[in-house]
Amino acid sequence: NAGVMQNPRHLVRRRGQEARLRCSPMKGHSHVYWYRQLPEEGLKFMVYLQKENIIDESGMPKERFSAEFPKEGPSILRIQQVVRGDSAAYFCASSPPDGPFNYGYTFGSGTRLTVV
Amino acid sequence: RKEVEQDPGPFNVPEGATVAFNCTYSNSASQSFFWYRQDCRKEPKLLMSVYSSGNEDGRFTAQLNRASQYISLLIRDSKLSDSATYLCVVNTNAGKSTFGDGTTLTVKP
Repeated sequence: NAGVMQNPRHLVRRRGQEARLRCSPMKGHSHVYWYRQLPEEGLKFMVYLQKENIIDESGMPKERFSAEFPKEGPSILRIQQVVRGDSAAYFCASSPPDGPFNYGYTFGSGTRLTVV
Repeated sequence: RKEVEQDPGPFNVPEGATVAFNCTYSNSASQSFFWYRQDCRKEPKLLMSVYSSGNEDGRFTAQLNRASQYISLLIRDSKLSDSATYLCVVNTNAGKSTFGDGTTLTVKP
């Protein structure tokens, strides 16, 4: 039973390019969460999605960032026109409904984005 | 004021020591609480849930004090492998969790 799968593990982008981060939830989990961890800081909530539906995007920067979780395929976190300040570890977690409230998260290994 | 606050440490303790971390939260409507462990540059992993009655898992004990709005984690007989950053997590609704910035523990031989 595979856990939460994120790819790529490491991603290097030049300023102005686009970054696409992918997350496949655990089997049977229908909810996906994205968190960002800047160097030497804690995890900050970005967005919570169900299939084809954004539930809460209150943590997403207003510009350049978007997320989706299509009916088929992984969840995608997209960052357009990356800047150096976007360099961070991006973690995805999945859960069944009410999972984090009752059971906590299962995280993927993360994608470490470096903007040069 | 942050929603969830932790003493960042670092806590440097010898093997075999007992160490305790506290975490305070500001929202009195918070409903569920957890401790996670994060090793350097890796993903956080769930350590244990925290209940009002307290719960114990081997050398680890977690407590919740709703009146004072804090949770604690006690580690007895520290091992070298306990060295990590410990994150407290507070949930106020079903969809979003607030993480503390973490407390770093280093256990030395």
